[in-house]
Amino acid sequence: QVQLVQSGAEVKKPGSSVKVSCKASGGTFSSYAISWVRQAPGQGLEWMGRIIPILGIANYAQKFQGRVTITADKSTSTAYMELSSLRSEDTAVYYCARDLGVAGQYYFDYWGQGTLVTVSS
Amino acid sequence: EIVLTQSPGTLSLSPGERATLSCRASQSVSSSYLAWYQQKPGQAPRLLIYGASSRATGIPDRFSGSGSGTDFTLTISRLEPEDFAVYYCQQYGSSTLYTFGQGTKLEIK
Repeated sequence: QVQLVQSGAEVKKPGSSVKVSCKASGGTFSSYAISWVRQAPGQGLEWMGRIIPILGIANYAQKFQGRVTITADKSTSTAYMELSSLRSEDTAVYYCARDLGVAGQYYFDYWGQGTLVTVSS
Repeated sequence: EIVLTQSPGTLSLSPGERATLSCRASQSVSSSYLAWYQQKPGQAPRLLIYGASSRATGIPDRFSGSGSGTDFTLTISRLEPEDFAVYYCQQYGSSTLYTFGQGTKLEIK
């Protein structure tokens, strides 16, 4: 059974950066990708980007290009999402999810519990 | 970028009734690339349907998906109290890899 456990809630100042972690257990970390999806309060789901750990390759949604960096540490089965130049509109719950796209299956079957990031002065 | 439009925005039904949720794509989408999720308040989304019509592990058979091209449907044959939630469709594309619809809220009438 795959489990994704994310780091805890964060409160950040506008203009700063936040780094959220997602530790995977079960399954083989290098055999799938990890995507990051965010959800602003009362809003829908928004895909931000993904990392393919075995290749070290990341893809980003155009909206977040230049502001988001997704990395992975294969030795600890942990993925990271760093978002910079934070603004109030970045206040959201950030989810990591197992992305089976590398296996030709384009959906997210396991999700982390979510990390609330609040951007406030 | 393919845009997914879900309708209705809110659906009010009673337990035992049939629910039909629509997801329309701005361009044709491969059926293999269309998924549905359920999200309850304070919880992460849960995968229901992938490949437009395949149920994910552990999903009751009252949930079914259908459609092709630009029109996809999630049907819940007989609503149970635990089915009242928000539902999202999601597709995979070549530019922005993944996009979600804006969601349909299924509420108790």
